[in-house]
Amino acid sequence: DIVMTQSPLSLPVTPGEPASISCRSSQSLLHSNGYNYLDWYVQKPGQSPQLLIYLASSRASGVPDRFSGSGSGTDFTLKITRVEADDVGVYYCMQTLRTPRTFGQGTKVEIK
Amino acid sequence: QVQLVQSGTELKKPGASVRISCKASGYAFNYFFIHWVRQAPGQGLEWLGIINSNVSDTTYAEKFQGRVTMTRDMSTNTIYMELSSLTSEDTAVYYCARETADLSSRHFDYWGQGTLVTVSS
Repeated sequence: DIVMTQSPLSLPVTPGEPASISCRSSQSLLHSNGYNYLDWYVQKPGQSPQLLIYLASSRASGVPDRFSGSGSGTDFTLKITRVEADDVGVYYCMQTLRTPRTFGQGTKVEIK
Repeated sequence: QVQLVQSGTELKKPGASVRISCKASGYAFNYFFIHWVRQAPGQGLEWLGIINSNVSDTTYAEKFQGRVTMTRDMSTNTIYMELSSLTSEDTAVYYCARETADLSSRHFDYWGQGTLVTVSS
């Protein structure tokens, strides 16, 4: 199975400041078609997870452009340019290259 | 609009089985894959398996092989996930999630609201 490792696991942030989450995979997620099969989801308190970023860098519909994804191969990053209070939640990366799908441990973003 | 509506909270005894439903609406049911993911209290997300709504092909996580069964009813646009031989470690919120129709991607574009399963004697 592909192991996904996120860091940090806890991220206190100040509103208006940037934030960054790292996700590393134990195997390359780069497909022969040129896409990296890595998604980012956020689970806000009391809610189901929701898609933020797919194929490493494509923003999902309705996601503010404050969120961006980057990376290739085994190293990926989710960045928030200016954190807002509504961004609190747990952020997960997930690889979709292989079955079983596997998730990172989650990064809890909270406001300082 | 696309909706995945799951069945309600379940309380089961150790050794029992649980069957959760996920009713789909707002899209062509038979063209999509449905995944099941669970989340134990205070823990992260864990993938259980996938079912092809059209041909009922399934793939399960090795951890759950022999204990999980995913089925679909095309007459009611409903997907079912049954988990047997329950233990306290199966206490979790179970989610169904739809995989995108985008052939170049495999992300989950819609999620159900979750079903809490508590296993306790």
